[in-house]
Amino acid sequence: EAGVTQFPSHSVIEKGQTVTLRCDPISGHDNLYWYRRVMGKEIKFLLHFVKESKQDESGMPNNRFLAERTGGTYSTLKVQPAELEDSGVYFCASSQVDRNYGYTFGSGTRLTVV
Amino acid sequence: AQSVTQLDSHVSVSEGTPVLLRCNYSSSYSPSLFWYVQHPNKGLQLLLKYTSAATLVKGINGFEAEFKKSETSFHLTKPSAHMSDAAEYFCVVRNRYSSASKIIFGSGTRLSIRP
Repeated sequence: EAGVTQFPSHSVIEKGQTVTLRCDPISGHDNLYWYRRVMGKEIKFLLHFVKESKQDESGMPNNRFLAERTGGTYSTLKVQPAELEDSGVYFCASSQVDRNYGYTFGSGTRLTVV
Repeated sequence: AQSVTQLDSHVSVSEGTPVLLRCNYSSSYSPSLFWYVQHPNKGLQLLLKYTSAATLVKGINGFEAEFKKSETSFHLTKPSAHMSDAAEYFCVVRNRYSSASKIIFGSGTRLSIRP
């Protein structure tokens, strides 16, 4: 089966610009999560979708970040306008609705804001 | 509330010697515990998981971990390190009885292997 796919793998943008990250979960996985690692620090939770609904968005840093999952398939994470502190690696993960399964992560998108 | 503490930010061992990466957790609920590995420029890969069955869990690439409730630990071990094990390792906890709960990462341990 195909894994979790994220693109782009790298993105370099200027401060103030907009960037959209995309995540395609494993087919059939209702749970989709976004995580972020900034400047080699801890990997932090951003938000969680169950199908198309936001289950938990307590980790979203501010209103410059907007996540969507229309139709319950792929998800996008938009940063608008981007700031320098948004630089980091953004990971997406998906899982089945079963507590005994681990999460499958994508390779991440490395975002650099200059 | 849940949290994970990885006691060492960096561990260096010689090739062929044992590996021990330490992890302690705190959880208000019965935890599921995982170890993930990230090789340079790669994604996060699941090494192994504990979800309530056997307390000694075997994973890929010869790694294993033992869940010790009395010590709230889930240390990762490998009998003999290989150069390809050089990577960053993350201990992760989640609420076992909530299929939709988010996972909490430890701060990571970077493992270096000396020839």
